[in-house]
Amino acid sequence: DTGVSQDPRHKITKRGQNVTFRCDPISEHNRLYWYRQTLGQGPEFLTYFQNEAQLEKSRLLSDRFSAERPKGSFSTLEIQRTEQGDSAMYLCASTMEYEQFFGPGTRLTVL
Amino acid sequence: KNEVEQSPQNLTAQEGEFITINCSYSVGISALHWLQQHPGGGIVSLFMLSSGKKKHGRLIATINIQEKHSSLHITASHPRDSAVYICAPEGGNQFYFGTGTSLTVIP
Repeated sequence: DTGVSQDPRHKITKRGQNVTFRCDPISEHNRLYWYRQTLGQGPEFLTYFQNEAQLEKSRLLSDRFSAERPKGSFSTLEIQRTEQGDSAMYLCASTMEYEQFFGPGTRLTVL
Repeated sequence: KNEVEQSPQNLTAQEGEFITINCSYSVGISALHWLQQHPGGGIVSLFMLSSGKKKHGRLIATINIQEKHSSLHITASHPRDSAVYICAPEGGNQFYFGTGTSLTVIP
């Protein structure tokens, strides 16, 4: 257990539905990252928060994706109108300065 | 175009062997991370380095900033080292990831 938690751990949804994932980082960590990982591939960077400010957003992130980190604590990642190509593991990581601490991930399956 | 290339992609070793995994990158970076991912998905950070060499137990990581190359070495490999090892250069507020090297250590 790294101290970073994600909820839910698994999500199965039908195409076209909206889904929201939550990440609770280590409390004193000011930086939070979201990544997506498909089978057999390394993680892909999605977005990055420093405290509550979203400072970087990958061009991979379509308009259907939105992330928030109100009050610089937990973060949510929402996917609207899900597509089958969104099926992946969504990982969250937090850091203060150096080492990244990864959550267990949310596995999304879009039917 | 892949910003990060790892080699080999797959590696099988006998217990006790010395293992080297290589990472080359094309982006400008402030640091480079080596990550370990076990079956089931959990990712653990092994090293963060910006120059030179670091050692934790049987693991050694080196980086050459000028050549944009890093290596991860495992001495006296053990079956519990079996995992995917991922190189992740950090630059410009984001991380770039290699596809990983899948290591299997046979007893």
